[in-house]
Amino acid sequence: AQSVAQPEDQVNVAEGNPLTVKCTYSVSGNPYLFWYVQYPNRGLQFLLKYITGDNLVKGSYGFEAEFNKSQTSFHLKKPSALVSDSALYFCAVRDRTGRRALTFGSGTRLQVQP
Amino acid sequence: ETGVTQTPRHLVMGMTNKKSLKCEQHLGHNAMYWYKQSAKKPLELMFVYSLEERVENNSVPSRFSPECPNSSHLFLHLHTLQPEDSALYLCASSRGTSGEQETQYFGPGTRLLVL
Repeated sequence: AQSVAQPEDQVNVAEGNPLTVKCTYSVSGNPYLFWYVQYPNRGLQFLLKYITGDNLVKGSYGFEAEFNKSQTSFHLKKPSALVSDSALYFCAVRDRTGRRALTFGSGTRLQVQP
Repeated sequence: ETGVTQTPRHLVMGMTNKKSLKCEQHLGHNAMYWYKQSAKKPLELMFVYSLEERVENNSVPSRFSPECPNSSHLFLHLHTLQPEDSALYLCASSRGTSGEQETQYFGPGTRLLVL
């Protein structure tokens, strides 16, 4: 079985400050990991993914995420938050075997205050 | 835009109606997905099609009936729905269904309200 936990329903951060959105996962073996963002009344947009290689993955809009195998985490980060980053963020995981599709977390709402 | 379109964007239907949601992808992908997104609940995978073959069906009630006539089009036929089926229905596509090919690209969704 595979699962994803996003422990925070909402994260509040001031514009210009660094932000972190947390994600932990559970899979059999090594994972594929993804982050998506959803703006109001829109579908999900792909931000970044970890497949293999460097544990630090860089994605769209200045976001990055660090794969930590020992802590089974894949936290999303950005050095300096923008008000326009305010949105709903989803972490997703898939194991490398079988034919299961992605499992998504419940989402974390990021609110960046001016 | 992600290359995945969905129509209609909004739909209001009664419990006895029959309607269909349409999804089209212009990315040359081979896999397509239907998801249900309800308020304060995780994204729920409903169906997965790979090369027009249904490969996953997550215990979805039979009042939802998918159809994938070709790799570019995906439909969700709706009949005798319940008010609790009101949600945002998202379509997605990906190059394949294995690992690295599974980066999914989503459409804007159809907001469905069942009265």
